[in-house]
Amino acid sequence: DIQMTQSPSSLSASVGDRVTITCRASQSISTYLNWYQQKPGKAPKLLIYAASSLQSGVPSRFSGSGSGTEFTLTISSLQPEDFATYYCQQSYNTRAFGPGTKVEIK
Amino acid sequence: QVQLVQSGAEVKKPGASVKVSCQSSGYTFTNYDINWVRQATGQGPEWMGWMNPNSGATGYSQKFQGRVTMTRSTSISTAYLELSDLRSDDTAVYYCARSGFGMGVNFDYWGQGTLVTVPS
Repeated sequence: DIQMTQSPSSLSASVGDRVTITCRASQSISTYLNWYQQKPGKAPKLLIYAASSLQSGVPSRFSGSGSGTEFTLTISSLQPEDFATYYCQQSYNTRAFGPGTKVEIK
Repeated sequence: QVQLVQSGAEVKKPGASVKVSCQSSGYTFTNYDINWVRQATGQGPEWMGWMNPNSGATGYSQKFQGRVTMTRSTSISTAYLELSDLRSDDTAVYYCARSGFGMGVNFDYWGQGTLVTVPS
């Protein structure tokens, strides 16, 4: 099975900061990589699909990049509503999720 | 608008089975896969498998093979997840989520989640 890792597992940031989260796959998954945001008590919400495509309705401060085994999610200017946990998901074979990155208020 | 509405919370004894439903509306049910994802408290989402509502074809995570069954009723646009031989570590919120077919899919709409509790 393809293993997904994320770094960091958590981070503290301030409103307005630029935030970057990394997701790595244990083997190449091309661009079959999605990013989700999850807030407590809610279902995950799709932010980015196919590594770099912004889901409809998602603010443009979110962006994704990468291919092969290394991917990044960037929030260009962190807003109060962005404090949440972020998960990557590969859709190359199984549809497994990464372990998550919790973004907390500094 | 697209909606996935799940059945209510369940409490089950160890060794029992649970069946969770997911009723779809706002789109053509047979044009998208239904996936099931579970999430234990404080843990990340865990993908369990997919079902094609048109053909009934399924694909299960190896972890759940032999214990999970995904079915559907196209007449009422509803998908079902059945998990058998329940253990305390099956306690989690279970979500259904819509996706396209095959490789490169994403989960664009989700149900509200169903809490399944298996007391130890």
